[in-house]
Amino acid sequence: DQQVKQNSPSLSVQEGRISILNCDYTNSMFDYFLWYKKYPAEGPTFLISISSIKDKNEDGRFTVFLNKSAKHLSLHIVPSQPGDSAVYFCAASAGRINDYKLSFGAGTTVTVRA
Amino acid sequence: NAGVTQTPKFRVLKTGQSMTLLCAQDMNHEYMYWYRQDPGMGLRLIHYSVGEGTTAKGEVPDGYNVSRLKKQNFLLGLESAAPSQTSVYFCASSLGPILPYEQYFGPGTRLTVT
Repeated sequence: DQQVKQNSPSLSVQEGRISILNCDYTNSMFDYFLWYKKYPAEGPTFLISISSIKDKNEDGRFTVFLNKSAKHLSLHIVPSQPGDSAVYFCAASAGRINDYKLSFGAGTTVTVRA
Repeated sequence: NAGVTQTPKFRVLKTGQSMTLLCAQDMNHEYMYWYRQDPGMGLRLIHYSVGEGTTAKGEVPDGYNVSRLKKQNFLLGLESAAPSQTSVYFCASSLGPILPYEQYFGPGTRLTVT
């Protein structure tokens, strides 16, 4: 039973425009959320995170929004660049219960068109 | 500083054969993890370790064993490979628990069991 869901397997966006990636979760105990980025033949790398006490976190071109009541988070990339073409994984942790386990979504493949 | 490395990068096994995947990190991290990634699914935790000499089961441990004899190495063993274990395996390490410590991933091992 997947507790973290990324319902859009792929997203295509023009360079310079906004990319919006969505993620839904079912476990109300999740209190920490992360986004990872993965290029082919490489491991995932950490991109940005947000704690459940916040509803927004920004880091340069990347912003994550958290809507706890809807159990939904999104990642905004503005402006999108060709180097952003990658697979993006949403992940969640219930840190208060266990401090080792991340639950991952299936990923969204982003393609940035020139 | 190589980060997290995995050996081998690719492997093909026949059903019933055994093998060991090696993960090494040079960041002096306490926590280490083994994940598998299957199509349409997120990364799932197989086993993890919170320090040298310790191991624990994750969410999909059946058919796998692990050992952490040295702090820098985390070995994943398949005693009798099955086609269901065809997957991409990722090792990760972190300085401490998820919050606030980032997990660093290796490049992955693609395993095919025929």
